Amino acid sequence: AQRVTQPEKLLSVFKGAPVELKCNYSYSGSPELFWYVQYSRQRLQLLLRHISRESIKGFTADLNKGETSFHLKKPFAQEEDSAMYYCALSGRGAGSYQLTFGKGTKLSVIP
Amino acid sequence: EPEVTQTPSHQVTQMGQEVILRCVPISNHLYFYWYRQILGQKVEFLVSFYNNEISEKSEIFDDQFSVERPDGSNFTLKIRSTKLEDSAMYFCASKWDRGSGNTIYFGEGSWLTVV
Repeated sequence: AQRVTQPEKLLSVFKGAPVELKCNYSYSGSPELFWYVQYSRQRLQLLLRHISRESIKGFTADLNKGETSFHLKKPFAQEEDSAMYYCALSGRGAGSYQLTFGKGTKLSVIP
Repeated sequence: EPEVTQTPSHQVTQMGQEVILRCVPISNHLYFYWYRQILGQKVEFLVSFYNNEISEKSEIFDDQFSVERPDGSNFTLKIRSTKLEDSAMYFCASKWDRGSGNTIYFGEGSWLTVV
């Protein structure tokens, strides 16, 4: 079974401070990991995925298979980063293309 | 940028009534999904749909639920006899190809309240 754990429901940081949103996963095979963001009253949007190894809006995330983690990081938080962040996993293999989400972390950036 | 659209944005219904939630996926997408999010809980997979049939469904997707693609554009979720615990935000999503590397695009959600 695949599972995604986001241990923090709420994370508050000051503007300009570093941000780390934690995500751990459980999956027996080789997963693909994603971060989705949901700004207030908007739809879920893909922020980034581990296979593309890119930085979006200053955010990065590295897949650590040894620790089964995919933490989301940003060196300097901005007010516009305030949103709900969801870590998600998609298993590879036939019939495993749906996403399993974590419970989400609400990021609040204090001006 | 193309979007997945959902209607209604909010529906209130009495327990035991049938509800149909509608979605228009992005036009060239082939895979369609329904997810739900009960207030305060995580987003949960309900069902995926490809080539006019269900390709995968979760334990949540019992006989009370059904999906249909009645024409070339709409994708609907029907709940036959709603229960209080069906109150949730229902998200429709679509994707171009089966490969997990393709982005899943979500609609804005339909908030269902069962009273």
